[in-house]
Amino acid sequence: GAGVSQSPRYKVAKRGQDVALRCDPISGHVSLFWYQQALGQGPEFLTYFQNEAQLDKSGLPSDRFFAERPEGSVSTLKIQRTQQEDSAVYLCASSPRLVNEKLFFGSGTQLSVL
Amino acid sequence: GNSVTQMEGPVTLSEEAFLTINCTYTATGYPSLFWYVQYPGEGLQLLLKATKADDKGSNKGFEATYRKETTSFHLEKGSVQVSDSAVYFCAQLNQGGKLIFGQGTELSVKP
Repeated sequence: GAGVSQSPRYKVAKRGQDVALRCDPISGHVSLFWYQQALGQGPEFLTYFQNEAQLDKSGLPSDRFFAERPEGSVSTLKIQRTQQEDSAVYLCASSPRLVNEKLFFGSGTQLSVL
Repeated sequence: GNSVTQMEGPVTLSEEAFLTINCTYTATGYPSLFWYVQYPGEGLQLLLKATKADDKGSNKGFEATYRKETTSFHLEKGSVQVSDSAVYFCAQLNQGGKLIFGQGTELSVKP
């Protein structure tokens, strides 16, 4: 497809379970971002890749959160030992340039931790 | 630190009414400013942007002017349509290359 694709669209996890969220950016896009969006709030920055290099992970809330982009295209956000406070929509965005003035967002993965 | 503050929603208007959604920011220097829109069931998409003071961004009848004196970037539209119903996010691009978003303002336009 032409846009940013995220899967799964919805994920329900039991507390303590590990989850993996996938992002397929637009082909050829250099930059990739992960954001977390709580209900009724704006997206909050989690982490940023330029090609395969993770340049900024300052927004990851704890060491249970891990992201990778090993070949500079597809990215996976992994959350270990999920907690209820991890429930949110996780958004992926990509950009064709190094200066990230326009981001293309996926529809997100809605994670519910029970 | 850098932040963005938007007026709280929801905002409910009748079709053809005038729209203003207020946005103010705090930042070091003069960041690029953006409005993103999220239609129901869709991902965020860029609506308009302004990269320096006094610039006016415009798209689809929406406008916003970068005011450094008041550190504001208010979104306006002269005549809203039902199809404009969405959540609108103001954002700034900080020096680290990250977009910082406001909390979003939901707009509901009634026929």
